[in-house]
Amino acid sequence: NAGVTQTPKFQVLKTGQSMTLQCAQDMNHEYMSWYRQDPGMGLRLIHYSVGAGITDQGEVPNGYNVSRSTTEDFPLRLLSAAPSQTSVYFCASSSFYNEQFFGPGTRLTVL
Amino acid sequence: QQQVKQSPQSLIVQKGGISIINCAYENTAFDYFPWYQQFPGKGPALLIAIRPDVSEKKEGRFTISFNKSAKQFSLHIMDSQPGDSATYFCAAREYGNKLVFGAGTILRVKS
Repeated sequence: NAGVTQTPKFQVLKTGQSMTLQCAQDMNHEYMSWYRQDPGMGLRLIHYSVGAGITDQGEVPNGYNVSRSTTEDFPLRLLSAAPSQTSVYFCASSSFYNEQFFGPGTRLTVL
Repeated sequence: QQQVKQSPQSLIVQKGGISIINCAYENTAFDYFPWYQQFPGKGPALLIAIRPDVSEKKEGRFTISFNKSAKQFSLHIMDSQPGDSATYFCAAREYGNKLVFGAGTILRVKS
């Protein structure tokens, strides 16, 4: 099992550009989520999904979109990147109410 | 406001010493309290977790103490080793399998 994979590992964007962060898991987990990690603030939930076709907002959803067309994939879209979205992004998955497994992260810089 | 407050921000411990990290919460609906360990450039990984009906859980050198009435819980690392140097996050789970994280503690164990 590859577990939770994320691409790209690093990305630099200019303000106003859009991009998609990819996340995939091969553990057949129903639950997937996206977090951002900023210094001194821990990890904050952006969006989550309890199954294919079902998504909901977390604590900091503004500026991000998600969709879940398959159990395996949960991409995160930045519609118009802003410097405030410079962060490290982590995707996680779990079977419901069990341990959440995190991916290796994507380090995003918005200039 | 931060729902889970973690202290200290950073901690330096001598090899063989005890590392103690504390967390406090307000929301009594939290039903599960995990601790995550994160090494530089990696995603968080579950270290140990406890449910609120248990006052203590021990796994090897790692112990969680949980005080439900005070709404506090702590991680104790016994016989701390240089390989334990990492960032530690406490977290609490709320309805919908969502995790709320503390701000993190950077632990350095001096050899």
